[in-house]
Amino acid sequence: QVQLVESGGGLVNSGGSLRLSCGASGFTFSDYYLSWIRQAPGKGLEWVSYISESSFYINYVDSVKGRFTISRDNAKSTLYLHLNNVRAEDTAVYYCVRGSQSFDHWGQGTLVTVSS
Amino acid sequence: QVMLTQSPSASASVGASVTLTCTLDSGHSDYDIAWHQQQPQTGPRFLMRVNNDGSHSKGAGIPDRFSGSSSGAERYLTISTLQSEDEADYYCQTWGSGIQLFGGGTKLTVL
Repeated sequence: QVQLVESGGGLVNSGGSLRLSCGASGFTFSDYYLSWIRQAPGKGLEWVSYISESSFYINYVDSVKGRFTISRDNAKSTLYLHLNNVRAEDTAVYYCVRGSQSFDHWGQGTLVTVSS
Repeated sequence: QVMLTQSPSASASVGASVTLTCTLDSGHSDYDIAWHQQQPQTGPRFLMRVNNDGSHSKGAGIPDRFSGSSSGAERYLTISTLQSEDEADYYCQTWGSGIQLFGGGTKLTVL
C-alpha cells in the first residue's frame, strides 16, 4: 500500500535551518507530483510547495518563497523540503502528500517548532 | 485568485445524515475540488474528488456512507448514517494557476 513517512522535524531557532524528508513506498515514485502541506497548531491546512515528477515544475506559497526549497531524489523515492531563515510562523506539522490536483495520500506529518 | 468558503461548524446526531458545503468564488465556479477528513489528533485522509459535473471518485477504503455532489459553485460532501468516528474536521481543496488551496475547514460534531 502507499506509504509516505516524514522525518527531520524538531526544534529550531528563529533564523535557522532544517531539512525535512519524506520516504515513499508502495507506488512508482517518479510517476507523481508531490507536495508539502503544513498545519500550524490549532489552525487549518496550508499548501506550501509542489514538485513535478522530473522536478521541472516547482512552486511555493508566497510566504516561503526565497526561504524554502523543495527537491526530490527519484532513485531514493524521497522528497525533501529545505527550510532556511525560519520564522515563528513556520511552526507547524508538515505533511508530505501525493498528487498534482487532488491529494490522494498523506503522510503522518513531522512537527517543526521555531523558537524565538 | 480562487477562494473556497466553508462553514466553521456543523452538527448532527448519530444515525442521521449531514451535508457539508464548500463554495467556490463566482469566478471559479467550474473548478473541481477534493474533500479531506482529519479526525482528532491524526493526519488528514483523502475522501474523494468532486467534479464540476457532480461526479465523484472516492479514495480507497472510503465507506459508501460518504458521497459527493455539485450544484453551481457549491460542492457537497454528504455523510449518511453518521457514526461517532465521523466527528472530525473536513477540508475542501482545489487547484489551478499553479497553486493549491484549502478551505478553512468545517468541524463536524456528532451528537
